Amino acid sequence: GENVEQHPSTLSVQEGDSAVIKCTYSDSASNYFPWYKQELGKRPQLIIDIRSNVGEKKDQRIAVTLNKTAKHFSLHITETQPEDSAVYFCAASVSSGNTPLVFGKGTRLSVIA
Amino acid sequence: DTEVTQTPKHLVMGMTNKKSLKCEQHMGHRAMYWYKQKAKKPPELMFVYSYEKLSINESVPSRFSPECPNSSLLNLHLHALQPEDSALYLCASSFYSGANVLTFGAGSRLTVL
Repeated sequence: GENVEQHPSTLSVQEGDSAVIKCTYSDSASNYFPWYKQELGKRPQLIIDIRSNVGEKKDQRIAVTLNKTAKHFSLHITETQPEDSAVYFCAASVSSGNTPLVFGKGTRLSVIA
Repeated sequence: DTEVTQTPKHLVMGMTNKKSLKCEQHMGHRAMYWYKQKAKKPPELMFVYSYEKLSINESVPSRFSPECPNSSLLNLHLHALQPEDSALYLCASSFYSGANVLTFGAGSRLTVL
């Protein structure tokens, strides 16, 4: 089955700096890669996703890149703000049948003002 | 309506009690999920219902019993739980099972005494 590794487990950045979180996956058939943000005491919320037919996707300060050959994908947050502080989970899945998402272990991002 | 609603938000129960968690969505999603989340960990899949039929049971102990009365409702019946079952229980839904955007509910925080 799919295995998703996520690094780092914790990340502290100064406000205004960039943050990068990296994930690797094992199943070459995986073709859907979402990122979820979970603030303390709140539900996980989808912030961006990418499918394997594209290499990069941007949404304002957030971008995700995908390298299918190397089986890794990354979340980039630019101009970080204190409200970006949260736990971020990457996930991977095969976009067919009944295959559920497999989550990484999460990265706790702290943005220091 | 673009939300998944879970009740109760908090539940404290003894090991001999029987209680239920409820989840509701009116987005026309045909897949619904139960996840268990312990502190500082990713959501852990328990059950998947697809078109009101149980499609995935991730070897969950029988003291957890899911039920999907209709396409909008999902219940999790709890009986004879253990203290280690204390966690945040998240319901989620998606248009169909597999690689699709998951919408999470706010969760039910369960404490077993």
